Amino acid sequence: NAGVTQTPKFQVLKTGQSMTLQCAQDMNHNSMYWYRQDPGMGLRLIYYSASEGTTDKGEVPNGYNVSRLNKREFSLRLESAAPSQTSVYFCASSAATGQTNSPLHFGNGTRLTVT
Amino acid sequence: SQKIEQNSEALNIQEGKTATLTCNYTNYSPAYLQWYRQDPGRGPVFLLLIRENEKEKRKERLKVTFDTTLKQSLFHITASQPADSATYLCALGTGGSYIPTFGRGTSLIVHP
Repeated sequence: NAGVTQTPKFQVLKTGQSMTLQCAQDMNHNSMYWYRQDPGMGLRLIYYSASEGTTDKGEVPNGYNVSRLNKREFSLRLESAAPSQTSVYFCASSAATGQTNSPLHFGNGTRLTVT
Repeated sequence: SQKIEQNSEALNIQEGKTATLTCNYTNYSPAYLQWYRQDPGRGPVFLLLIRENEKEKRKERLKVTFDTTLKQSLFHITASQPADSATYLCALGTGGSYIPTFGRGTSLIVHP
């Protein structure tokens, strides 16, 4: 039981390049999330998916797109990377929508540097 | 505007003492509050959840209190150990949303 798996662990991009961050969970969770974590800023929600086939914007969605490929997988795409997107990206999942007692399960992050 | 405040300065304590971390909030009416632990290079790990109608929750050496009048949650680790050294995040959720908003976290350093 791996929980939430993110790939890659590290990535360096040049400004303007594109890439997709992959996330998969094996806990049969309905909801999945993408956060970024910057020093002094805490975790900020980029996008989330309440169920397969649905996605919604979070607090900081600009410059990103997401795909909920199936119940297990939720990917985050940077179409044209910018230095401001240098950050640590975390994927998370939780059991159900509408339940306030569903903790988030996080992956171990992708450390992205844009030069 | 809504704000969640956790002490940005690291908390340094001696092994065996009780560590107390604070989470204050303004302009929120949280339905629940969660606490997470984050180790360097790892994702946050859920520790405890407390709901608005609960004053206190315990799990082993951990205790969380929730005072909606003071708009504050306290997170206690009793008999602290160096292995408890980590960053601790609080996260608030309102009744209308299952997605919590995170504070910036407080670093705890337990010295042997």
